[in-house]
Amino acid sequence: GAGVSQSPSNKVTEKGKDVELRCDPISGHTALYWYRQSLGQGLEFLIYFQGNSAPDKSGLPSDRFSAERTGGSVSTLTIQRTQQEDSAVYLCASSRYYNEQFFGPGTRLTVL
Amino acid sequence: DQQVKQNSPSLSVQEGRISILNCDYTNSMFDYFLWYKKYPAEGPTFLISISSIKDKNEDGRFTVFLNKSAKHLSLHIVPSQPGDSAVYFCAASDNYGQNFVFGPGTRLSVLP
Repeated sequence: GAGVSQSPSNKVTEKGKDVELRCDPISGHTALYWYRQSLGQGLEFLIYFQGNSAPDKSGLPSDRFSAERTGGSVSTLTIQRTQQEDSAVYLCASSRYYNEQFFGPGTRLTVL
Repeated sequence: DQQVKQNSPSLSVQEGRISILNCDYTNSMFDYFLWYKKYPAEGPTFLISISSIKDKNEDGRFTVFLNKSAKHLSLHIVPSQPGDSAVYFCAASDNYGQNFVFGPGTRLSVLP
């Protein structure tokens, strides 16, 4: 497809379990971002990958959150030992230039 | 402390009238500003942007105004259409894209 894709679209998990969220950016886009949107809140920046540079992890809320980007393309956001406050929509975006991002449809995570 | 603020969580406008969405920022290092539109269950989509070297950028029915001295920008939609009903996010970056901050969003409802 031509756009950013994310999987799964919905994920329900129990508190304490680990989850992995996947993002396939647009081909050729060197920058990849992860955000989350909690209910009634704006977009919260989590992590940023640019090419082969070390990622900017400044937005990750705790050490339970980690992300990797393999081969400069697909990215996986992992949340370990999920908590109820992790429930949110997790959005991935990619860009070819620094300032115009294309977003995926998001993964809605519900932690019971 | 929020670096990008959208103080109106919601706005209702009659079809055909002008919609004005406001955004304020605190970080003087921001020099590129973007507006995104988000429909329910979809990722945000890029709408319009403006660089700090300009004070106005226009694209069809959408115009963004930037007042650097006041650290304020606004999005004007004229004429407003029912399909414009969505949540609008203001975003700011420092041109290297490593500090990308979104506001909390304003929900626009255009009434037929």
